[in-house]
Amino acid sequence: GQSLEQPSEVTAVEGAIVQINCTYQTSGFYGLSWYQQHDGGAPTFLSYNALDGLEETGRFSSFLSRSDSYGYLLLQELQMKDSASYFCAVTNNYGQNFVFGPGTRLSVLP
Amino acid sequence: GAVVSQHPSRVICKSGTSVKIECRSLDFQATTMFWYRQFPKQSLMLMATSNEGSKATYEQGVEKDKFLINHASLTLSTLTVTSAHPEDSSFYICSAIGTVAGGPDTQYFGPGTRLTVL
Repeated sequence: GQSLEQPSEVTAVEGAIVQINCTYQTSGFYGLSWYQQHDGGAPTFLSYNALDGLEETGRFSSFLSRSDSYGYLLLQELQMKDSASYFCAVTNNYGQNFVFGPGTRLSVLP
Repeated sequence: GAVVSQHPSRVICKSGTSVKIECRSLDFQATTMFWYRQFPKQSLMLMATSNEGSKATYEQGVEKDKFLINHASLTLSTLTVTSAHPEDSSFYICSAIGTVAGGPDTQYFGPGTRLTVL
């Protein structure tokens, strides 16, 4: 089977740093992606890791450890607009199978 | 670049009718399109994967005769919910991967279609 785990909710204040963890159990792991979804909207792509290590894209960074079946999304200098749900997703085969985690709802407080 | 559109954005229909949702990649060729369903406050559940010119691959538990998928071209896929019932009410989202920067592991999502079946 395939399963992904994320914290259901995270709360932080503006300007803070937040880390959202994702652990997974899948077969034929290829890569880990992160998506942001605001209420009522569609997911938007944030980052992707196929190799171990940290990928940095502006205020957002993503980390992957294949040996630990673990990754995280790091959000720095939090802004109110970052309040949204964040999903990790595993690609099992070469772009042909995506499994999404349950999502983490981030609330940024003033 | 990498824009995906969906139409309609919202539809309300009576039980027993069929509803067609279109998904288009506007500025790239989508070699593969995915259809997801999302219930309130839940994650995205992959329904099916479709490649242009071939039959869609449905996930376990998804009725292929109820959710008809046609990927007629490299820029268009349609999902038809046949004989819709209230339990089919959900947010349907398509995504596409193809000939854009980011490679085959970056999905570009449409804005979604909210279906309400009365």
